[in-house]
Amino acid sequence: DAGITQSPRHKVTETGTPVTLRCHQTENHRYMYWYRQDPGHGLRLIHYSYGVKDTDKGEVSDGYSVSRSKTEDFLLTLESATSSQTSVYFCAIIEGQNTEAFFGQGTRLTVV
Amino acid sequence: AQSVTQLDSQVPVFEEAPVELRCNYSSSVSVYLFWYVQYPNQGLQLLLKYLSGSTLVKGINGFEAEFNKSQTSFHLRKPSVHISDTAEYFCAVSPQSGAQKLVFGQGTRLTINP
Repeated sequence: DAGITQSPRHKVTETGTPVTLRCHQTENHRYMYWYRQDPGHGLRLIHYSYGVKDTDKGEVSDGYSVSRSKTEDFLLTLESATSSQTSVYFCAIIEGQNTEAFFGQGTRLTVV
Repeated sequence: AQSVTQLDSQVPVFEEAPVELRCNYSSSVSVYLFWYVQYPNQGLQLLLKYLSGSTLVKGINGFEAEFNKSQTSFHLRKPSVHISDTAEYFCAVSPQSGAQKLVFGQGTRLTINP
């Protein structure tokens, strides 16, 4: 599992509340990613990071922000959760463009 | 930019039958190609990848895929499936240069019936 831990694994929250998901890695990888998985859409990239304090947007970044203050942690924040953000969120690390990605176990988020 | 299209959202097959899961991609730059598998309630794991060289690549669990550059396809095959192959399969591409991002298709749910 390349030492990737996501927390929490499950969360139910109310519309309008802020939510932060955490991804922690133990192997000092430079690149980290947040994806969301929804039926019929596969995995879509939300944000990614290529180093401490270096982040960029993915294809579905609206309503999300990220922070990476240290190499091992990549945080995903929903500033004001909406029902459309109900999803399963996966963190991933990729060692290089021609190597495999390693994924966390996922966080199932329900916004009610 | 890159995009990936998996042509079948669901594929039901009988045990020990052959299966092909289809994947087409679009990209303005050269890409690496991947197939990932997701078993129920788990994360994704790599089945196989194409980087260069022989267009037929072999992966884990008896799966193989063939890269066809002219048709921009990367179809996944297995000659004889087992119940344990029931899972969701994702095709993905990554650009060989530039921003390091993995772009996924919509996924194909493979169901094996006894």
